[in-house]
Amino acid sequence: LAKTTQPISMDSYEGQEVNITCSHNNIATNDYITWYQQFPSQGPRFIIQGYKTKVTNEVASLFIPADRKSSTLSLPRVSLSDTAVYYCLVVRVSGGYNKLIFGAGTRLAVHP
Amino acid sequence: GAGVSQSPRYKVAKRGQDVALRCDPISGHVSLFWYQQALGQGPEFLTYFQNEAQLDKSGLPSDRFFAERPEGSVSTLKIQRTQQEDSAVYLCASSPRDSAYEQYFGPGTRLTVT
Repeated sequence: LAKTTQPISMDSYEGQEVNITCSHNNIATNDYITWYQQFPSQGPRFIIQGYKTKVTNEVASLFIPADRKSSTLSLPRVSLSDTAVYYCLVVRVSGGYNKLIFGAGTRLAVHP
Repeated sequence: GAGVSQSPRYKVAKRGQDVALRCDPISGHVSLFWYQQALGQGPEFLTYFQNEAQLDKSGLPSDRFFAERPEGSVSTLKIQRTQQEDSAVYLCASSPRDSAYEQYFGPGTRLTVT
Protein backbone atom coordinates (compact mmCIF):
# COMPACT_ATOMS: atom_id res chain seq x y z
CA LEU A 1 0.00 0.00 0.00
CA ALA A 2 1.12 3.55 -0.71
CA LYS A 3 2.83 5.26 2.19
CA THR A 4 1.20 8.51 3.31
CA THR A 5 2.98 11.62 4.52
CA GLN A 6 1.22 14.36 6.45
CA PRO A 7 2.31 17.13 8.82
CA ILE A 8 2.94 16.01 12.37
CA SER A 9 1.03 18.91 13.88
CA MET A 10 -0.96 22.03 13.03
CA ASP A 11 -2.39 24.91 15.00
CA SER A 12 -5.47 26.95 14.18
CA TYR A 13 -8.00 29.26 15.78
CA GLU A 14 -11.71 28.97 16.18
CA GLY A 15 -13.64 29.96 13.09
CA GLN A 16 -10.79 29.41 10.66
CA GLU A 17 -10.70 26.94 7.80
CA VAL A 18 -8.09 24.22 8.22
CA ASN A 19 -6.54 22.35 5.33
CA ILE A 20 -4.45 19.23 6.00
CA THR A 21 -2.55 17.92 3.01
CA CYS A 22 -1.46 14.33 2.64
CA SER A 23 1.01 12.90 0.12
CA HIS A 24 0.59 9.41 -1.31
CA ASN A 25 2.87 9.29 -4.33
CA ASN A 26 2.60 5.57 -4.95
CA ILE A 27 -1.16 5.28 -4.82
CA ALA A 28 -2.53 2.48 -7.01
CA THR A 29 -5.47 2.56 -9.38
CA ASN A 30 -7.84 0.72 -7.06
CA ASP A 31 -6.89 2.56 -3.88
CA TYR A 32 -9.23 4.94 -2.05
CA ILE A 33 -8.21 7.87 0.14
CA THR A 34 -9.79 7.88 3.55
CA TRP A 35 -9.55 10.17 6.58
CA TYR A 36 -10.18 9.29 10.20
CA GLN A 37 -10.37 11.52 13.28
CA GLN A 38 -9.37 10.45 16.77
CA PHE A 39 -10.11 12.20 20.06
CA PRO A 40 -8.22 11.31 23.24
CA SER A 41 -9.42 8.10 24.88
CA GLN A 42 -11.60 7.23 21.88
CA GLY A 43 -11.21 5.04 18.85
CA PRO A 44 -10.75 6.60 15.41
CA ARG A 45 -13.86 7.84 13.65
CA PHE A 46 -14.38 7.81 9.88
CA ILE A 47 -14.65 11.31 8.42
CA ILE A 48 -14.63 11.06 4.66
CA GLN A 49 -13.50 8.92 1.75
CA GLY A 50 -12.89 9.67 -1.90
CA TYR A 51 -11.38 8.38 -5.11
CA LYS A 52 -10.93 11.52 -7.20
CA THR A 53 -12.01 15.18 -7.56
CA LYS A 54 -14.01 16.51 -4.62
CA VAL A 55 -16.14 14.90 -1.97
CA THR A 56 -18.13 16.85 0.60
CA ASN A 57 -20.17 15.79 3.59
CA GLU A 58 -21.54 17.51 6.68
CA VAL A 59 -18.18 17.33 8.42
CA ALA A 60 -15.49 18.04 5.82
CA SER A 61 -14.45 18.25 2.20
CA LEU A 62 -11.83 16.16 0.49
CA PHE A 63 -9.98 17.46 -2.54
CA ILE A 64 -8.09 15.03 -4.75
CA PRO A 65 -6.21 16.27 -7.84
CA ALA A 66 -6.24 14.38 -11.11
CA ASP A 67 -2.93 12.59 -10.47
CA ARG A 68 -4.19 11.43 -7.03
CA LYS A 69 -0.71 11.70 -5.56
CA SER A 70 -1.97 13.96 -2.80
CA SER A 71 -5.19 14.92 -1.11
CA THR A 72 -6.38 17.74 1.12
CA LEU A 73 -8.83 17.46 3.98
CA SER A 74 -10.65 20.75 4.53
CA LEU A 75 -12.41 21.51 7.79
CA PRO A 76 -14.56 24.65 7.55
CA ARG A 77 -14.78 27.03 10.51
CA VAL A 78 -13.15 24.82 13.12
CA SER A 79 -14.14 24.91 16.76
CA LEU A 80 -12.34 23.82 19.91
CA SER A 81 -14.01 20.43 19.62
CA ASP A 82 -12.16 19.77 16.37
CA THR A 83 -8.92 19.40 18.33
CA ALA A 84 -7.92 15.83 17.52
CA VAL A 85 -5.53 13.66 15.54
CA TYR A 86 -6.38 13.31 11.85
CA TYR A 87 -5.19 10.29 9.91
CA CYS A 88 -4.87 10.05 6.15
CA LEU A 89 -5.04 6.48 4.86
CA VAL A 90 -4.83 4.79 1.52
CA VAL A 91 -7.29 1.92 1.51
CA ARG A 92 -7.28 -1.05 -0.81
CA VAL A 93 -9.76 -3.87 -0.87
CA SER A 94 -7.69 -7.04 -0.98
CA GLY A 95 -9.01 -10.52 -0.48
CA GLY A 96 -12.43 -9.03 0.15
CA TYR A 97 -11.51 -6.77 3.07
CA ASN A 98 -9.60 -3.63 3.85
CA LYS A 99 -6.84 -3.56 6.43
CA LEU A 100 -6.34 0.00 7.60
CA ILE A 101 -2.71 1.14 7.72
CA PHE A 102 -2.38 4.19 9.96
CA GLY A 103 0.57 6.56 10.14
CA ALA A 104 1.23 8.88 13.05
CA GLY A 105 -1.40 11.36 11.88
CA THR A 106 -1.63 15.13 12.18
CA ARG A 107 -2.29 16.58 15.61
CA LEU A 108 -4.58 19.57 15.15
CA ALA A 109 -4.85 22.02 18.02
CA VAL A 110 -7.61 24.62 17.79
CA HIS A 111 -7.13 27.64 20.02
CA PRO A 112 -9.74 30.12 21.27
CA GLY B 1 -28.23 1.85 17.90
CA ALA B 2 -25.30 0.91 20.08
CA GLY B 3 -21.79 1.25 18.77
CA VAL B 4 -18.83 -1.05 19.29
CA SER B 5 -18.20 -1.69 22.95
CA GLN B 6 -15.09 -3.02 24.61
CA SER B 7 -14.40 -4.27 28.10
CA PRO B 8 -12.68 -3.69 30.33
CA ARG B 9 -11.81 -0.09 29.47
CA TYR B 10 -8.69 -0.29 31.61
CA LYS B 11 -6.65 -3.29 32.64
CA VAL B 12 -3.54 -3.45 34.78
CA ALA B 13 -1.66 -6.72 34.68
CA LYS B 14 1.51 -7.87 36.30
CA ARG B 15 4.15 -9.14 33.94
CA GLY B 16 3.55 -12.78 33.22
CA GLN B 17 -0.21 -12.71 33.77
CA ASP B 18 -2.71 -13.66 31.09
CA VAL B 19 -5.37 -11.14 30.03
CA ALA B 20 -8.54 -11.34 27.96
CA LEU B 21 -10.02 -8.33 26.22
CA ARG B 22 -13.58 -8.39 24.94
CA CYS B 23 -15.16 -6.73 21.92
CA ASP B 24 -18.89 -6.47 21.19
CA PRO B 25 -19.25 -5.32 17.57
CA ILE B 26 -22.25 -3.59 16.08
CA SER B 27 -25.00 -6.16 15.63
CA GLY B 28 -24.94 -7.77 12.20
CA HIS B 29 -21.49 -6.56 11.24
CA VAL B 30 -19.65 -9.22 9.29
CA SER B 31 -16.11 -7.93 9.65
CA LEU B 32 -14.20 -7.47 12.90
CA PHE B 33 -10.70 -6.08 13.32
CA TRP B 34 -8.29 -5.74 16.22
CA TYR B 35 -5.65 -2.99 16.33
CA GLN B 36 -2.92 -2.09 18.81
CA GLN B 37 -2.12 1.55 19.48
CA ALA B 38 1.04 2.57 21.29
CA LEU B 39 1.21 5.96 22.95
CA GLY B 40 1.56 8.74 20.39
CA GLN B 41 1.29 6.40 17.43
CA GLY B 42 -1.44 5.42 15.03
CA PRO B 43 -3.23 2.10 15.43
CA GLU B 44 -1.53 -0.98 14.01
CA PHE B 45 -3.46 -3.89 12.54
CA LEU B 46 -3.42 -7.15 14.48
CA THR B 47 -6.03 -9.49 13.04
CA TYR B 48 -9.23 -9.73 10.98
CA PHE B 49 -12.36 -11.90 11.21
CA GLN B 50 -15.06 -12.39 8.65
CA ASN B 51 -17.90 -13.84 10.69
CA GLU B 52 -16.25 -16.57 12.76
CA ALA B 53 -13.35 -17.15 10.40
CA GLN B 54 -10.01 -15.56 11.21
CA LEU B 55 -8.78 -14.68 7.74
CA ASP B 56 -5.75 -12.59 8.59
CA LYS B 57 -3.61 -12.74 11.69
CA SER B 58 -0.48 -11.34 10.13
CA GLY B 59 -0.26 -8.45 12.59
CA LEU B 60 -0.20 -10.47 15.78
CA PRO B 61 3.23 -9.70 17.28
CA SER B 62 3.90 -13.09 18.80
CA ASP B 63 2.36 -16.46 19.56
CA ARG B 64 1.39 -15.08 22.96
CA PHE B 65 -1.43 -13.23 21.20
CA PHE B 66 -4.57 -15.14 20.32
CA ALA B 67 -7.95 -13.95 19.07
CA GLU B 68 -11.24 -15.73 18.58
CA ARG B 69 -14.79 -15.01 17.45
CA PRO B 70 -16.49 -18.39 17.87
CA GLU B 71 -20.06 -17.41 16.98
CA GLY B 72 -19.33 -14.62 14.57
CA SER B 73 -20.27 -11.82 16.95
CA VAL B 74 -18.36 -11.18 20.19
CA SER B 75 -14.59 -11.44 19.94
CA THR B 76 -11.89 -11.94 22.54
CA LEU B 77 -8.23 -11.00 22.27
CA LYS B 78 -6.11 -12.97 24.67
CA ILE B 79 -2.54 -12.18 25.60
CA GLN B 80 -0.60 -14.83 27.47
CA ARG B 81 2.36 -14.15 29.75
CA THR B 82 2.09 -10.40 29.31
CA GLN B 83 5.25 -8.33 28.87
CA GLN B 84 5.81 -4.63 29.42
CA GLU B 85 5.99 -4.04 25.67
CA ASP B 86 2.38 -5.23 25.44
CA SER B 87 1.27 -2.04 27.20
CA ALA B 88 -0.92 -0.21 24.70
CA VAL B 89 -4.51 0.56 23.80
CA TYR B 90 -6.23 -2.32 22.05
CA LEU B 91 -8.92 -1.21 19.63
CA CYS B 92 -11.66 -3.25 18.09
CA ALA B 93 -13.49 -2.21 14.93
CA SER B 94 -16.36 -3.69 12.98
CA SER B 95 -17.64 -3.15 9.49
CA PRO B 96 -20.92 -4.12 7.87
CA ARG B 97 -19.29 -5.74 4.88
CA ASP B 98 -15.98 -6.68 3.44
CA SER B 99 -15.23 -3.85 1.08
CA ALA B 100 -13.78 -0.35 1.31
CA TYR B 101 -16.37 0.93 3.73
CA GLU B 102 -15.62 2.69 6.97
CA GLN B 103 -14.78 0.75 10.07
CA TYR B 104 -16.52 1.60 13.34
CA PHE B 105 -14.14 1.64 16.27
CA GLY B 106 -14.75 0.97 19.92
CA PRO B 107 -13.24 3.12 22.67
CA GLY B 108 -10.41 0.67 23.26
CA THR B 109 -8.96 -1.13 26.24
CA ARG B 110 -5.91 0.47 27.79
CA LEU B 111 -3.60 -2.31 28.99
CA THR B 112 -0.80 -1.48 31.38
CA VAL B 113 1.68 -4.20 32.23
CA THR B 114 3.70 -3.55 35.37
